[in-house]
Amino acid sequence: AQSVAQPEDQVNVAEGNPLTVKCTYSVSGNPYLFWYVQYPNRGLQFLLKYITGDNLVKGSYGFEAEFNKSQTSFHLKKPSALVSDSALYFCATSSGGYQKVTFGTGTKLQVIP
Amino acid sequence: DVKVTQSSRYLVKRTGEKVFLECVQDMDHENMFWYRQDPGLGLRLIYFSYDVKMKEKGDIPEGYSVSREKKERFSLILESASTNQTSMYLCASSFQTETGANVLTFGAGSRLTVL
Repeated sequence: AQSVAQPEDQVNVAEGNPLTVKCTYSVSGNPYLFWYVQYPNRGLQFLLKYITGDNLVKGSYGFEAEFNKSQTSFHLKKPSALVSDSALYFCATSSGGYQKVTFGTGTKLQVIP
Repeated sequence: DVKVTQSSRYLVKRTGEKVFLECVQDMDHENMFWYRQDPGLGLRLIYFSYDVKMKEKGDIPEGYSVSREKKERFSLILESASTNQTSMYLCASSFQTETGANVLTFGAGSRLTVL
């Protein structure tokens, strides 16, 4: 079975400060990890993915994520938050050639001006 | 741009009615998915399909069925709608990869209310 956990329902951060949205995973075999974002009243959009290689993955809108195998984590980060980053963020995983993609419960990011 | 189109943005149905949610993608994707999104529960996979006429149960298939007669179209069917099926339904599609590291493209969603 594959799963991801997002331990925080909501993260608040001041504009200009670094932000982190946490995700841990549980998969058998090599994990493939993803971040998606859902802006208010809009569909989910792909941000970035980790398949293999460099543990630091860069994605859209200045976001990056760090894969940590020993901690089974894939946290989403951004050096300087913008108010426009306020949205719902989902971590997801797939593995082992299986086409199923499993999502976490989501974390609401609120960037305060 | 890949487009995933869900036929209805908002639907209101009565308990016991049969409900069809339609999804069409225009990029020749092999995989198609139906999720439901509920606050605090995230996205939960109902069914997915990796080929025409092929389907696999996701994590919460009870009360739902699907149909994929053509590659571009994936339908979700609620045989007898119940109030606990009130939710946002999201359709997605992706290419098939050997690794399974598939990037999904989502539709705008269909918000279903069952009275």
